[in-house]
Amino acid sequence: NAGVMQNPRHLVRRRGQEARLRCSPMKGHSHVYWYRQLPEEGLKFMVYLQKENIIDESGMPKERFSAEFPKEGPSILRIQQVVRGDSAAYFCASSPGDSRRGYTFGSGTRLTVV
Amino acid sequence: AQSVTQLGSHVSVSEGALVLLRCNYSSSVPPYLFWYVQYPNQGLQLLLKYTSAATLVKGINGFEAEFKKSETSFHLTKPSAHMSDAAEYFCAVSDQDTGRRALTFGSGTRLQVQP
Repeated sequence: NAGVMQNPRHLVRRRGQEARLRCSPMKGHSHVYWYRQLPEEGLKFMVYLQKENIIDESGMPKERFSAEFPKEGPSILRIQQVVRGDSAAYFCASSPGDSRRGYTFGSGTRLTVV
Repeated sequence: AQSVTQLGSHVSVSEGALVLLRCNYSSSVPPYLFWYVQYPNQGLQLLLKYTSAATLVKGINGFEAEFKKSETSFHLTKPSAHMSDAAEYFCAVSDQDTGRRALTFGSGTRLQVQP
């Protein structure tokens, strides 16, 4: 019973390139959340998705960032034209839909922009 | 809007001593409250949660937390610290009744355990 799978674990991109982060939720979970953790800071909410729908993207930067959760396949967080300030750990979490049960987190993708 | 405040970004205790990590929340509706632990270079693991049942909640690894509505607090405790408890701990809140299910996290408390 695999947990939340994120890949890659580490990603290095040059300034101006695109970064694609993937997240496969736990089996039976239909809700996906993306969070960003900057060095020495807590987790900041970015976006909440259900299959084929963005439910809440109030934490997403207005430009360069997008997310999707297609009917088939993993959820993707896409960052276009990366800058040094995008360097962070990006965590995905999933839930079955009832928030009382809490969320299961993946191990994260650590993005480094050089 | 909901928010979480964790008092003390760093806490240091001796092995065998009481662990107390503080969390205060702000929420306009009855909240769900969570404590997560993060070990270096890993994701977050759920320690325990409060979902409006018993106010004293027991979690994994000997941790427990008490929901105090009058103080808007949900402090995490463990009677006797172990070296393996050294990690970062995050308190989080979620509104019960809103459609926005995302958790709001505190800024974290790093726990050091001295031998």
